Amino acid sequence: NAGVTQTPKFRVLKTGQSMTLLCAQDMNHEYMYWYRQDPGMGLRLIHYSVGEGTTAKGEVPDGYNVSRLKKQNFLLGLESAAPSQTSVYFCASSLPSFGRRYNEQFFGPGTRLTVL
Amino acid sequence: GENVEQHPSTLSVQEGDSAVIKCTYSDSASNYFPWYKQELGKRPQLIIDIRSNVGEKKDQRIAVTLNKTAKHFSLHITETQPEDSAVYFCAASISGGYNKLIFGAGTRLAVHP
Repeated sequence: NAGVTQTPKFRVLKTGQSMTLLCAQDMNHEYMYWYRQDPGMGLRLIHYSVGEGTTAKGEVPDGYNVSRLKKQNFLLGLESAAPSQTSVYFCASSLPSFGRRYNEQFFGPGTRLTVL
Repeated sequence: GENVEQHPSTLSVQEGDSAVIKCTYSDSASNYFPWYKQELGKRPQLIIDIRSNVGEKKDQRIAVTLNKTAKHFSLHITETQPEDSAVYFCAASISGGYNKLIFGAGTRLAVHP
């Protein structure tokens, strides 16, 4: 049981290049999330998905696109990378929530992205 | 918009002392408050959480208290050990469901032997 995995672990891009980050989970979780982590700012939600074929915007969605073609995978794309997107990106997944019942988010190991 | 403020940003204690981290949230509809621990270079991991119908929860050396009236919650670590050194994040649920969370900026805890 690998839990939540992310590829790649590290990446360096030049301004204007594109790339896709892959998140995979083997826990059969309905919900998946992409966060970015910057020093002194905690974790900020970029996009999330509540099921296969669905995506929604989070707190900081600009400059990113996502897709959830399969339940176990959630892709984060940068079409034209900017230095402001230098960050550590974390994927997370969880069981669905029902009413006021919240469930734990499980995080992947992160991807460190540098945009020059 | 929703906001979670976390204090202090850094905390240094001697081994065996207690550590307290405090968070304040803005959304009165928040009803789930997890705490995550992140060791250097690792992923955040849930250490304890509390729901709005409970005022306090304890798990061995860690405890969390919640004051819904004042909209603040705190993490208490007793008998700190060097392996408690990490960054701790508080979070609050965002209204609208889907387990969405808003995180505090984090507290870097250093426990000195």
